[in-house]
Amino acid sequence: DSGVTQTPKHLITATGQRVTLRCSPRSGDLSVYWYQQSLDQGLQFLIQYYNGEERAKGNILERFSAQQFPDLHSELNLSSLELGDSALYFCASSPRPNSGNTIYFGEGSWLTVV
Amino acid sequence: DAKTTQPTSMDCAEGRAANLPCNHSTISGNEYVYWYRQIHSQGPQYIIHGLKNNETNEMASLIITEDRKSSTLILPHATLRDTAVYYCIVMYTGANSKLTFGKGITLSVRP
Repeated sequence: DSGVTQTPKHLITATGQRVTLRCSPRSGDLSVYWYQQSLDQGLQFLIQYYNGEERAKGNILERFSAQQFPDLHSELNLSSLELGDSALYFCASSPRPNSGNTIYFGEGSWLTVV
Repeated sequence: DAKTTQPTSMDCAEGRAANLPCNHSTISGNEYVYWYRQIHSQGPQYIIHGLKNNETNEMASLIITEDRKSSTLILPHATLRDTAVYYCIVMYTGANSKLTFGKGITLSVRP
């Protein structure tokens, strides 16, 4: 158990809908990362937050947004869903955005868009 | 972030040491070498990381060459449960540092 908690574990929704994925980082961790893993793309970095502020952005679509709340949990919002958004979404956390630290991943949220 | 090169796949016998190589010839002085693994769509699992010196923990050893252009992850006594995709990642020190995953190496441990 990495200490990073993601909900829901599985989600099935229809095209055009909107979903919210939730992440609780490890206790004491201030930095949160979101990744997407689809069959043909591998693990892709989406976005990073540190103590409530966006720090880095990767290949995140405009239909997607995220935020980190004062209690440090984070949410990834996916809207106008398309079939191609079906993927595993991982959240990870670290004490602070510095590569000397260890980044731990949650078990992911499986999103299926039908 | 420096790019890494790993073989696509390798296998080893259960109980033997698994030595997973990684090349990172463009690594710079402030970049760490990290190893993660992913077992069948589970969350990536942290294994070990290092900057210059060799590192060992309860899971594995990391051997970094003196010029830091390559490294080897050693699983001393591989088990069937070590079958996974192993990712070697180089990450710099900095506020916006993040892990960038490549394709990794698929390790198959055979009975």
